[in-house]
Amino acid sequence: EVQLVESGGGLVQPGGSLRLSCVGSRFLFSGQWMSWVRLAPGRGLEWVAAANQDETKKYYLDSVEGRFAISRDNTRNSLYLQMSSLRVEDTAVYYCATDGRDGWSPAERWGQGTLVTVSS
Amino acid sequence: QAVLTQPSSLSASPGASASLTCSLRSGLDVATHSIYWYQHQPGSPPRYLLRYTSDSDKQKDSGVPSRFSGSKDASANAGILLISGLQSEDEADYYCLIWHNGAWVFGGGTKVTVL
Repeated sequence: EVQLVESGGGLVQPGGSLRLSCVGSRFLFSGQWMSWVRLAPGRGLEWVAAANQDETKKYYLDSVEGRFAISRDNTRNSLYLQMSSLRVEDTAVYYCATDGRDGWSPAERWGQGTLVTVSS
Repeated sequence: QAVLTQPSSLSASPGASASLTCSLRSGLDVATHSIYWYQHQPGSPPRYLLRYTSDSDKQKDSGVPSRFSGSKDASANAGILLISGLQSEDEADYYCLIWHNGAWVFGGGTKVTVL
C-alpha cells in the first residue's frame, strides 16, 4: 500500500519561510506526478502545486505563485514544498499526494498531512 | 463567481439516497471536463472516490462501495455524486475537482449529515 509521510510543519511568523518534505514508499515514486494540497481550518480543500516526474512541468495555485516552490528528489523518493513570504491565510494542514503516471489521477493517494501555522 | 459551486450541507436519513451537485461556472461546459470526487472525514486524510467523464469513461477507486456513483447533469451544467442507501459511515465532507486554466480547482465542499 502506498505510504506518504509529510514533515516540516510548524509555527512561523508572517513573512517567514518553511520547507515541507514528503517521503514516499511502497510505490514507484519516480513514476508519479506529485502534488501538494492543503486544508485550512473552516475552509475546504485547496490544491497548491504539482510537479511531473522530472520537474519539467510545474503548476501552482495563483495565490502561491512566486512564493512557493515545489521540487522533488527521486533518488530519495522525496517531494518538497519551499514556502516563503508566508501569510496568515497559508495556515493549513498540508498533504502530499500522488497524481498518477500521466498527472490525470489527481490526489489519488494522500499522506497524513503536516500542520503549518502562520501567526505572530 | 467560483469555478465550482457545491451546496454547503445536505442531510438525509439512513437508507436514503443523496445527490451531491457540483455546478460549473457559467462559461465552462461540464461536457468537456472530468469531475473528480473526494471524501474527507475528521481525523483522516481525504480519500479519492471516483472520476466521471462520461458513461463510457469513468473510474472508481478500489474499495469504494458500489453505493457511490458519478454522473453529469448537462442541463444544470453540473457533476453529480450519488450515494445510494446512505450509511452512518458516509457522514463526511465531499469535494469535487476539475482541471481549469492550468490548475486543479476544488469546489467548496458539501457536508453530508446522516440523520
